[in-house]
Amino acid sequence: DTGVSQDPRHKITKRGQNVTFRCDPISEHNRLYWYRQTLGQGPEFLTYFQNEAQLEKSRLLSDRFSAERPKGSFSTLEIQRTEQGDSAMYLCASSFDHSWDEQFFGPGTRLTVL
Amino acid sequence: KNQVEQSPQSLIILEGKNCTLQCNYTVSPFSNLRWYKQDTGRGPVSLTIMTFSENTKSNGRYTATLDADTKQSSLHITASQLSDSASYICVVSADGGSQGNLIFGKGTKLSVKP
Repeated sequence: DTGVSQDPRHKITKRGQNVTFRCDPISEHNRLYWYRQTLGQGPEFLTYFQNEAQLEKSRLLSDRFSAERPKGSFSTLEIQRTEQGDSAMYLCASSFDHSWDEQFFGPGTRLTVL
Repeated sequence: KNQVEQSPQSLIILEGKNCTLQCNYTVSPFSNLRWYKQDTGRGPVSLTIMTFSENTKSNGRYTATLDADTKQSSLHITASQLSDSASYICVVSADGGSQGNLIFGKGTKLSVKP
C-alpha cells in the first residue's frame, strides 16, 4: 500500500455512458498525476495538478475527458460518452513539488466499456 | 524521439535463480531513471531512482545499474522468489521537460516458477 487510494477499483459500463473516478493522494503531496495503461503497455501520461491547478494535459486527453482537483486534495477524472477504446487501467500517482520527486502510484481503476 | 526500450519482453526463471533486465533509452537531456515493479492488476511501486551521477543503486535483492554514456540501465534480481513475478518498468525523465516527458517503457514481464 503506497498511501494513494483510488475508487472504484473496477468499473464496467456501456458505451456512451459517463464514468467518474476518484483519487486520494498522499496528504503531504502537492502534485497529482493521472495515467492510462493498456494491456502490455507502460503507463501513458494524461494530466497533472500542482495543488488545485491543472498544469499540463496530454494530447491523449480528448475533450471527453476532464479532471479536477478542486481543493488541492483528492482528484476526479470523468470520461463522458465512453467508447470501447477507453477500456484501460487508469492510474493516479502523487508526489512532492518537483518533477524529479518520486511518484507513488495508486492501485488503479480498471475500466471496461462494453 | 524520446524512447525507452526494454528487453526481454518476457522472462521465465526458476525460483532461486538470478536474472537481469535491460533498459535502453534515447531520452535527452537526461534527468533520472527509475525502475518500477508492477504486480498484475496493481499500480507500479518504485524500486530505485538514479540520477546522472549514480551508476548503481540497490534495494534489497534488486540492484540497478546505469551507464549514462551508452544510455543503458539494467535491473539485476538476486535469488529470485515467487513474489518477484511481476512486470518491471523502466521510466526515464527528461531534464527540464514537461510531465509528459516522463517516458515509460513497456515493461518486462517476469515469471518465477517453483
